[in-house]
Amino acid sequence: DGGITQSPKYLFRKEGQNVTLSCEQNLNHDAMYWYRQDPGQGLRLIYYSQIVNDFQKGDIAEGYSVSREKKESFPLTVTSAQKNPTAFYLCASSISGRRSVNEQFFGPGTRLTVL
Amino acid sequence: RKEVEQDPGPFNVPEGATVAFNCTYSNSASQSFFWYRQDCRKEPKLLMSVYSSGNEDGRFTAQLNRASQYISLLIRDSKLSDSATYLCVVNTGFQKLVFGTGTRLLVSP
Repeated sequence: DGGITQSPKYLFRKEGQNVTLSCEQNLNHDAMYWYRQDPGQGLRLIYYSQIVNDFQKGDIAEGYSVSREKKESFPLTVTSAQKNPTAFYLCASSISGRRSVNEQFFGPGTRLTVL
Repeated sequence: RKEVEQDPGPFNVPEGATVAFNCTYSNSASQSFFWYRQDCRKEPKLLMSVYSSGNEDGRFTAQLNRASQYISLLIRDSKLSDSATYLCVVNTGFQKLVFGTGTRLLVSP
């Protein structure tokens, strides 16, 4: 089955630690995205990538880093510089980031809790 | 003004009722529009795209009003399984989507 997978589903981190969230897709999509969702707020874009080896900052990139070495993979690292990292993290992909119609499809998400 | 605004609800309706949600957007250059559904503690799932001519998918109808800059979602014959949060999503033309905070729907027996 084609789809987007994220791991782990739940992640607990101590303050001061970096953690990496995994996102893999086998949909052959060019574009991939990372969002965070906080209670009562809409999804906010962290980083996005339209093509391999290229990515751009979204609206709230501070304290995060990404890489896009393979088309299928777009891992997100939450660094110790992120002041409030506890959130629900969602990865998404779309066929192409350059089309005007740009449906995105989401993975199941990772819930990160900082202890 | 927020880029995308929705009434958070909740909308409490009985089974079989018809319910409608509106969503307003601020950027007149917005190019495409979507409704997503999100169940509690789950990922958003695409419900339907919204076309200029309006579109219908079973019990769901979506409309776009560019002049007034809003989109709507109509659900007929509500089912218990329709209980969820409905997200209004707008492509602002900058190759990214802007998500509303969602409207919560509760369908009761």
